[in-house]
Amino acid sequence: EVVMTQSPATLYVSPGERATLSCRASQSVSSELAWYQQKPGQAPRLLIYGASTRATGVPARFSGSGSGTEFTLTISSLQSEDFAVYYCQQYIDWPPRITFGQGTRLEVK
Amino acid sequence: EVQLEESGGGLVQPGGSLRLSCAASGFVFYNSWMTWVRQAPGKGLQWVAHIKEDGAEKYYVDSVKGRFTISRDNAKNSLYLEMNSLRVDDTAVYYCARGLKATITTMDAWGQGTPVTVSS
Repeated sequence: EVVMTQSPATLYVSPGERATLSCRASQSVSSELAWYQQKPGQAPRLLIYGASTRATGVPARFSGSGSGTEFTLTISSLQSEDFAVYYCQQYIDWPPRITFGQGTRLEVK
Repeated sequence: EVQLEESGGGLVQPGGSLRLSCAASGFVFYNSWMTWVRQAPGKGLQWVAHIKEDGAEKYYVDSVKGRFTISRDNAKNSLYLEMNSLRVDDTAVYYCARGLKATITTMDAWGQGTPVTVSS
């Protein structure tokens, strides 16, 4: 099983500033990496797949980078609606056995 | 508009059974891989099961193999999760989700979730 580790567990950032979230895989997942956003009481929302491709309707302030075992989600200028929990997910395994990171909570500084 | 609506959750005793349903609309259901993901209270996301478009391939996380069965009825645009021998650690909100065409096992549409509580 590919273990995904996210850091930090909680990130405090002021509105308008940049947020950088990290995700590490226990083995290479190439670019088979997705990011999701989840707000309290809501279902997750796909933000990024293929490590860097924004999903439909996702604002350009969200960007993903990385390959292999190290990945980053960057939010360039935080808006109030961006404070949420973010999860990374790998999908390289076949037969498919997707795994998620434990999440990073993005909170207002 | 893509919509997924889960139902069937509730309170069940350990060792009991439940059948979750997910009604899909707004997209071509029979062309999509579908997935169940769960989230225990206050915890992160855990993949439960995938099913191929035609139902011919099914995959499960190890902890539910032999107890849970994923299925679909493409004529009814519906996805199901039959859960047997339920355990306390199966307590979670269960989401059904659609696989993105480009990747099949990343999920670009989610239902609102249905809660399952396993407790005596």
